[in-house]
Amino acid sequence: GESVGLHLPTLSVQEGDNSIINCAYSNSASDYFIWYKQESGKGPQFIIDIRSNMDKRQGQRVTVLLNKTVKHLSLQIAATQPGDSAVYFCADRSGGATNKLIFGTGTLLAVQP
Amino acid sequence: DAGVTQSPTHLIKTRGQHVTLRCSPISGHKSVSWYQQVLGQGPQFIFQYYEKEERGRGNFPDRFSARQFPNYSSELNVNALLLGDSALYLCASIRQGTYNEQFFGPGTRLTVL
Repeated sequence: GESVGLHLPTLSVQEGDNSIINCAYSNSASDYFIWYKQESGKGPQFIIDIRSNMDKRQGQRVTVLLNKTVKHLSLQIAATQPGDSAVYFCADRSGGATNKLIFGTGTLLAVQP
Repeated sequence: DAGVTQSPTHLIKTRGQHVTLRCSPISGHKSVSWYQQVLGQGPQFIFQYYEKEERGRGNFPDRFSARQFPNYSSELNVNALLLGDSALYLCASIRQGTYNEQFFGPGTRLTVL
């Protein structure tokens, strides 16, 4: 069935370093992908999205890369800050009449001062 | 510009009881989705509503039901609560467009004892 998963459940980085969070998806028909950040006790916060007709998209300190050949997605965070500490989820939109998002299990990003 | 609001913030119930959770989407959004997030996992899709009609349903038992009102707010109802229903219940407000971006509220933390 469809699934979106993450390779690394926990990522620990030093403040100021760059972070890379990876995600694999299985539905080759997926046309839209989103990264969410979730801090403890809060709902997921939209970070950045990418359409399947793109392979890279940049935001403020974040870049998402999409490799459709191997069905892989990554989130790069530049100059990681303590405030970036959170769980990061990738999600795939199933499309059709239902806008169901399929989430992976998440990666915990821990930023060390 | 108010974001997605959910109430209550926290709720404690006992097995067998029922619960009603509420959500108000972002102004101008006509569609909402509900997700269940068990501790340590990614959110799981429960329902989507658009213009008061159900547009999709996830793999949840009939104890779960929802509705959307003319002002686009929504309620999620869960009957005959089980311990396993303890979770963070998230409402997402959907911006209709090509990719229907979803913006999450803070969630309602339900604990079933």
